[in-house]
Amino acid sequence: DTAVSQTPKYLVTQMGNDKSIKCEQNLGHDTMYWYKQDSKKFLKIMFSYNNKELIINETVPNRFSPKSPDKAHLNLHINSLELGDSAVYFCASSQEGPSYNEQFFGPGTRLTVL
Amino acid sequence: GENVEQHPSTLSVQEGDSAVIKCTYSDSASNYFPWYKQELGKRPQLIIDIRSNVGEKKDQRIAVTLNKTAKHFSLHITETQPEDSAVYFCAADYSSASKIIFGSGTRLSIRP
Repeated sequence: DTAVSQTPKYLVTQMGNDKSIKCEQNLGHDTMYWYKQDSKKFLKIMFSYNNKELIINETVPNRFSPKSPDKAHLNLHINSLELGDSAVYFCASSQEGPSYNEQFFGPGTRLTVL
Repeated sequence: GENVEQHPSTLSVQEGDSAVIKCTYSDSASNYFPWYKQELGKRPQLIIDIRSNVGEKKDQRIAVTLNKTAKHFSLHITETQPEDSAVYFCAADYSSASKIIFGSGTRLSIRP
């Protein structure tokens, strides 16, 4: 049973398009996250939601919009894709926020913008 | 500011030898220090963590040490094996911001 799942696993698209990545966790966790991992492997947090409410919004372009329909799902919609958006995007979840609690990562979505 | 520095960026050790990865953090209020392992093409997974009320924690071949005064923490892997080859990330929590900050990663290669 997959604890944190993401779809799609790979996404190849043209510049200017709009795309979405979906994430679901079946762990009953309260908090979910989106991370971006670039080609140099830096893992940078983008957003964090706790019980469907946004609690962290790093300096991410407003072309990126997270949506949490319920606490088990956190989707990421990206408008007007740019070349620099190419990266691996990881969803993660934890119980009661990141401090003192393990974050469980999804398998990642490799986004390639051409 | 929020910063976790990690060294070295790459590390190659002979199978059976030990590997040490070091990190420093900037927020004196940090209390939670996890270490994640990411194999090629896979997701990061927690391998060990330490909280500020202890100075050392060990789990089989891996151990972490924490020096809160110096704001340093380290990962030690003994008797390295080929399956230890991966990218390792340290992290520290920033409770005031409800997030953890990751170091830049160390690519560990085990030579046969």
